Amino acid sequence: EAQVTQNPRYLITVTGKKLTVTCSQNMNHEYMSWYRQDPGLGLRQIYYSMNVEVTDKGDVPEGYKVSRKEKRNFPLILESPSPNQTSLYFCASSSRTGWGGNQPQHFGDGTRLSIL
Amino acid sequence: AQSVTQPDIHITVSEGASLELRCNYSYGATPYLFWYVQSPGQGLQLLLKYFSGDTLVQGIKGFEAEFKRSQSSFNLRKPSVHWSDAAEYFCAVARGGSQGNLIFGKGTKLSVKP
Repeated sequence: EAQVTQNPRYLITVTGKKLTVTCSQNMNHEYMSWYRQDPGLGLRQIYYSMNVEVTDKGDVPEGYKVSRKEKRNFPLILESPSPNQTSLYFCASSSRTGWGGNQPQHFGDGTRLSIL
Repeated sequence: AQSVTQPDIHITVSEGASLELRCNYSYGATPYLFWYVQSPGQGLQLLLKYFSGDTLVQGIKGFEAEFKRSQSSFNLRKPSVHWSDAAEYFCAVARGGSQGNLIFGKGTKLSVKP
């Protein structure tokens, strides 16, 4: 089954304690993205990757890092989390060629982070 | 810069009534446009998309949307709303025409009255 898997689904942690949210896709997609969703703000892109070792900042990259060492994985790293990074995070992937039929961008189920 | 505007933050309609959710975009070229729905506590589900061709696009769950270049709009419609349609709806445009890179509107929350 084609899917984007995020872990963990929920996390409560404290300010300054480094954390990583993993994202893995099994569709051999080139493009992967991270978004954060906040009430009244919709989804905002954090980082974007067009392929292995190619990443780019989105609209709200401050406080986040990513890496793309393998095609299937695109982890989101918060080196020193702060309360303003409390949010719902989505990972997404899509193919470079064509528009993926009925699902041009596949989304994970989301990770809810609470930073105390 | 590209952007997507959803003017209505919250809309309430009666069950069985018609629905129109507004979306305006800014982009110089032909945009690739999408509508997503997010039910409470759920992820995002694609309702429909517009790439080119017929400006009236049919989607899942009885939704349709019409692309109007002259108005820079891509409004979502449904002739008869069901209680299960209560959710948040997001319009999105592909940034620079790149399918892997979407710009989302802030969303419209739909409530359905019995």
